[in-house]
Amino acid sequence: EIVMTQSPATLSGSPGERATLSCRASQSISSNIAWYQQRPGQPPRLLIYGTSVRASGVPGRFSGSGSGTDFTLAISSLQSEDFVTYFCQQYNDWPLTFGGGTKVEIK
Amino acid sequence: QVQLQESGPGLVKPSETLSLNCNVFNESITTYYWNWIRQSPAKGLEWIGHVFHRGTTRYNPSLETRVTISLDTSKKQFTLALKSVTAADTAVYYCASSFGPYSNFDYWGQGSLVSVSS
Repeated sequence: EIVMTQSPATLSGSPGERATLSCRASQSISSNIAWYQQRPGQPPRLLIYGTSVRASGVPGRFSGSGSGTDFTLAISSLQSEDFVTYFCQQYNDWPLTFGGGTKVEIK
Repeated sequence: QVQLQESGPGLVKPSETLSLNCNVFNESITTYYWNWIRQSPAKGLEWIGHVFHRGTTRYNPSLETRVTISLDTSKKQFTLALKSVTAADTAVYYCASSFGPYSNFDYWGQGSLVSVSS
C-alpha cells in the first residue's frame, strides 16, 4: 500500500498570505495525485487532479506541482473560505489511498 | 452534474451487516466507476472499493474479506454491504464517482454516519 504523508498537520496563516501544503508518497506515483478541500460537515471537494489540473470551478489561486514522490498544493493568497482542511490522494496503484490531511487555520 | 445520495440505517449492532445504498442522479449508471469511501477520526479517509457497470469490482485488501459492492442498473443505485462489523467500522460513509479504476473522485454524496453499537 502506498502511504501518503501530508505536512504540516496544521498550517497557520493570515488572509492574503501564500500557503504551501506538502504531500509525500512512500513510492513513486508519477503524476497520479489529486487534492481535495473539505469543510466541516461536508464531503471532500475535488480541487486538483493529475498533479496540476484544476477541477471545474476551482479558483486560480489554487495550484499543484510535483512529480514522483513529492507534491505541493499552493494557495497564492489565502481567502477566508480557504481556512479548512485539505487532503491528497494517490491513484497510481490499488488500494487508492489518502493523506492524513492539513488543516489551514487563521493565525 | 452527477448527484449522489446515500441512504441506510445510522446504527448497526456489532457482528451484524452494515448496508448502505447510493442513488445516482443526472448521469448514466454506465458512465462511471462507483465507489465507497469512509472517514473516521482514527483512520482518516479510506477507500473501500468500487463497482463498474460490467460487474467489475475491486476492494481494499484491508476490507476485502468482509465487503461486497453491487450495482442495480435498473434502479440507478449501488450498494455497500460490510459484514461482521465492529466499533472500528463506525465512520461517515461516502459514495463517490470516478472516471476509471485508477482515478480521482469527481463527485461525492453528502455522507452517511453509521455507528456500530449495541
